[in-house]
This record gives sequence, C-alpha cells and structure tokens, in this order.
Amino acid sequence: DGGITQSPKYLFRKEGQNVTLSCEQNLNHDAMYWYRQDPGQGLRLIYYSQIVNDFQKGDIAEGYSVSREKKESFPLTVTSAQKNPTAFYLCASSKGHPNTEAFFGQGTRLTVV
Amino acid sequence: AQSVAQPEDQVNVAEGNPLTVKCTYSVSGNPYLFWYVQYPNRGLQFLLKYITGDNLVKGSYGFEAEFNKSQTSFHLKKPSALVSDSALYFCAVRDGDYGQNFVFGPGTRLSVLP
Repeated sequence: DGGITQSPKYLFRKEGQNVTLSCEQNLNHDAMYWYRQDPGQGLRLIYYSQIVNDFQKGDIAEGYSVSREKKESFPLTVTSAQKNPTAFYLCASSKGHPNTEAFFGQGTRLTVV
Repeated sequence: AQSVAQPEDQVNVAEGNPLTVKCTYSVSGNPYLFWYVQYPNRGLQFLLKYITGDNLVKGSYGFEAEFNKSQTSFHLKKPSALVSDSALYFCAVRDGDYGQNFVFGPGTRLSVLP
C-alpha cells in the first residue's frame, strides 16, 4: 500500500523543547516538502528537498531544521527557536518533474503546552 | 515569481446546484495547475491537474476545471454539488520552466447546503 505517512498525528511540546516530526514515503519520489498550515490560512513552505542529502529553505524556515539522509524519509525538527510552533504540519512528496502532482500525508498537529 | 489567488474565502451552494470555485494564477513560464481538497484534520487530496492540451480537465469525484490562458484562470466546477463536497479547496501552480515548488492559494471553503 503506497503512500506517505506522518507520525505522530498529535504532538504536544513544552516551551523550550525540540520535537521531531516524522515523514516517510514509499512512492519512490525524489522530492519531499514540509508545509505549515495555520487556522484559516493556506500552506506555507518550510523546507523542501529535491534529492537525497540536499534540501533548501522555504518561505518560513526560521526555527526549523530538516535532514534527507534517505530517499524515503524527510524528518522535520521544530526547535525552541520557533516562537509560535502551534500549527498543523503537512509533509508531501512528488516525482521530480514539475508536471507531477504532490501526494500529502495526513498531517501532524503540534500544540505547545 | 509564482502566485495564486482564490478570490472567495467562502462559497455556499445548495445541494444539486452547480458549483464553481475560482482560481487565478501568475507564473513566468509554462503553468502547471492543480486542485486539491482538504477535509478537517486531514491532508490534501489531489483532484485534478492541467498540464497541456484540452482546456477542460476532468478529475476525481465528478469535478472538472477549465483552464483559460488569456484570463490566467483555472476555475474548479461540478455540475451537481453534494453535501459531502463541503470542504476546503486549494488551487496550486508550478512553473514548468522556472520553478520546482508548488505555490498554493489561500483556500476556499465550500459549504453545500442540504
């Protein structure tokens, strides 16, 4: 069953704590993306990776970090430097060519407590 | 630079009536256009895309979209709305010549009233 899996579905973070959101895909896609969605707003790009061992900052990368050590995996770390991390985080993947659509995971809802 | 506008935050339509969700875009190069739907607390689901060819594109769940190059629009349509179509709809663009990333519009909330 091919797809893109995010875990956990819900995550609670204490102030000053780093947390890592998991994203795994078995679609053999080269490109992977992390987006942040706030209530009533669209998707904002945090980081993206077009190939293993390479990634680029998106529009709102401050306070976040990523790695791409394997084609299948693109974990996102929300660091203590991110001042307002409470949001819905979406991971996506796509084939390399721009005429291909992205496939999304089910999202992780992060709440600061 | 790429951009997408969805001029309506909210669209209300009665069940059985036709629906239209509007999208306009701006890209420097060749536009590749996409529509996605999002249900509460879920990821985005792909509905359809325009790459080239026929301006009327058919997709999942009876949705279709019309590409209009002169108006730089890609409106989503369905001939007969269902209550289950109520969701958040996103239009997205990729620049086929100059960009690799998706740029999403702000989303339009569709409410289909029984």
